[in-house]
Amino acid sequence: GAGVSQSPRYKVAKRGQDVALRCDPISGHVSLFWYQQALGQGPEFLTYFQNEAQLDKSGLPSDRFFAERPEGSVSTLKIQRTQQEDSAVYLCASTQGSRPSRTDTQYFGPGTRLTVL
Amino acid sequence: GQNIDQPTEMTATEGAIVQINCTYQTSGFNGLFWYQQHAGEAPTFLSYNVLDGLEEKGRFSSFLSRSKGYSYLLLKELQMKDSASYLCAPLYGQNFVFGPGTRLSVLP
Repeated sequence: GAGVSQSPRYKVAKRGQDVALRCDPISGHVSLFWYQQALGQGPEFLTYFQNEAQLDKSGLPSDRFFAERPEGSVSTLKIQRTQQEDSAVYLCASTQGSRPSRTDTQYFGPGTRLTVL
Repeated sequence: GQNIDQPTEMTATEGAIVQINCTYQTSGFNGLFWYQQHAGEAPTFLSYNVLDGLEEKGRFSSFLSRSKGYSYLLLKELQMKDSASYLCAPLYGQNFVFGPGTRLSVLP
């Protein structure tokens, strides 16, 4: 596709529900990143994939958060038993290669705004 | 964390010049990106510095001092559409660490 797409754009969940957020990176992009952005803050790193391999998940805040990219393209971020503090915008980004550079920057999707009631 | 520090908010007048500073920890540093983010939208790439010095790109310039752990983004001839958050993002390994962002308001 032309850019990174994410769905849904908005999600409202009741506390305790499970949610799944989808990211479609730019076709052929090797690296995929997930970020969490609270209102008025910069994005916080969650996890990083190179193709289907999850190379870094150090930013996932708890074991309720799980991400996968089984075929090295589309990725899903799943949050189990959502809590109010999970309310944020979840951004996905991709890069063509394995390491960002001047000519290979991160391209961000529009994000999914999650609200947990 | 990497203790990224940038001002929370700045205000400037249309047509003016504004400088947004950013400091970060130098250990493991691989380069620094600046992103612009309009409210409710995704961040978009502005500039990248890996060597010391100034990179100029139209109305936007970015400076880096690796030894000092310091960068700034310079915006010239401000326009109303420049009202946005500006995110400083040093690269450590393959991962960005984003600063809190500086919310710039451009007034007529």
